[in-house]
Amino acid sequence: KNQVEQSPQSLIILEGKNCTLQCNYTVSPFSNLRWYKQDTGRGPVSLTIMTFSENTKSNGRYTATLDADTKQSSLHITASQLSDSASYICVVSERGQFYFGTGTSLTVIP
Amino acid sequence: DAGITQSPRHKVTETGTPVTLRCHQTENHRYMYWYRQDPGHGLRLIHYSYGVKDTDKGEVSDGYSVSRSKTEDFLLTLESATSSQTSVYFCAISEATSGRNEQYFGPGTRLTVT
Repeated sequence: KNQVEQSPQSLIILEGKNCTLQCNYTVSPFSNLRWYKQDTGRGPVSLTIMTFSENTKSNGRYTATLDADTKQSSLHITASQLSDSASYICVVSERGQFYFGTGTSLTVIP
Repeated sequence: DAGITQSPRHKVTETGTPVTLRCHQTENHRYMYWYRQDPGHGLRLIHYSYGVKDTDKGEVSDGYSVSRSKTEDFLLTLESATSSQTSVYFCAISEATSGRNEQYFGPGTRLTVT
């Protein structure tokens, strides 16, 4: 069964600190892996997209990495800001099907 | 929200009543999707469309039907709403399904069935 699992389920960090979110998947083969940010009460917004041949992709303070051999991805947030408080969702797509993780809820406190 | 609107944004309805949610896009994307999002679950696909009048079921399609008579509009209908259909519903669009093609999400509709 194709699955996408994220950890931790929730995370609280101090403003200015870095953090790393994890995504493990069993989807195989896959077309691409995406990280989305979802603010409370809004739809998900794409942060990064990586194909199976890429191992890192950055978008400002967000850096995603991918290890296709171990089927793991991580999202690293540098110098966190209060506006980073959101849910972060990992999505793996394969032949037009999208498999969503349940997300990591990040809270950044002053 | 990439030219996607959903209506209504909030709705409270009673068990057994029909409900229709509308998704409208201005991007002329071929693919449109309806998802539901519930605590403890990832986004789950209800139905999707790959063109006008072309639709297919997702993993949680029971109790839902869809229609797409125009490229820009994708309707989701709950024929007889049940409390288990209380959820937040998201519409999404994409130009294609492979490669780096983005999937853009609407703002969501919060539906409560009492």
